[in-house]
Amino acid sequence: SQTIHQWPATLVQPVGSPLSLECTVEGTSNPNLYWYRQAAGRGLQLLFYSVGIGQISSEVPQNLSASRPQDRQFILSSKKLLLSDSGFYLCASATGFDNSPLHFGNGTRLTVT
Amino acid sequence: AQSVTQLDSQVPVFEEAPVELRCNYSSSVSVYLFWYVQYPNQGLQLLLKYLSGSTLVKGINGFEAEFNKSQTSFHLRKPSVHISDTAEYFCAVSRSGTASKLTFGTGTRLQVTL
Repeated sequence: SQTIHQWPATLVQPVGSPLSLECTVEGTSNPNLYWYRQAAGRGLQLLFYSVGIGQISSEVPQNLSASRPQDRQFILSSKKLLLSDSGFYLCASATGFDNSPLHFGNGTRLTVT
Repeated sequence: AQSVTQLDSQVPVFEEAPVELRCNYSSSVSVYLFWYVQYPNQGLQLLLKYLSGSTLVKGINGFEAEFNKSQTSFHLRKPSVHISDTAEYFCAVSRSGTASKLTFGTGTRLQVTL
């Protein structure tokens, strides 16, 4: 089965600083990868998804970007953080087959101060 | 596009009582439906899913859900809850053929007390 590793678990960053969150996946090859954000009191919002190396689709306009340098590595970045970037960021993976559900990592709680 | 409405943001219940968490969806095409559970400061874990076939779906931890196409609902139920069921529960929908590209509801906090 798939295992998704995310780090760090918590992060406090000042406004205007850069961001890099990393996610790696074990137990599958060529997965579909996803970044979700969960803001306080709200559901999960899909930010980016990727079906292969170097292939990134953005779901919402925002201050963040994503990259997939390797098959099982997915990185979420920002050049300058905003207060509104605070939230709980979840990486997820799926095998890409039609009925394959998402598997989630344990998330990174980002607080921008 | 799909959307999901979870009507209750919080549901308090006593241990060993039954519970139902409500979920309604909106879509113009065939959908897959899911329930996920999130324990504090953790990722989401799949409870159950409906892809096709029997409308009553059984999941882990004694939970089940029933797909009702006419009412566009997918309510989650458990006949007797335990303290350990305290968590946030998310209903999600995807368009058939894209099971992993989900639209989530805003979640229901299930609080089980003695």
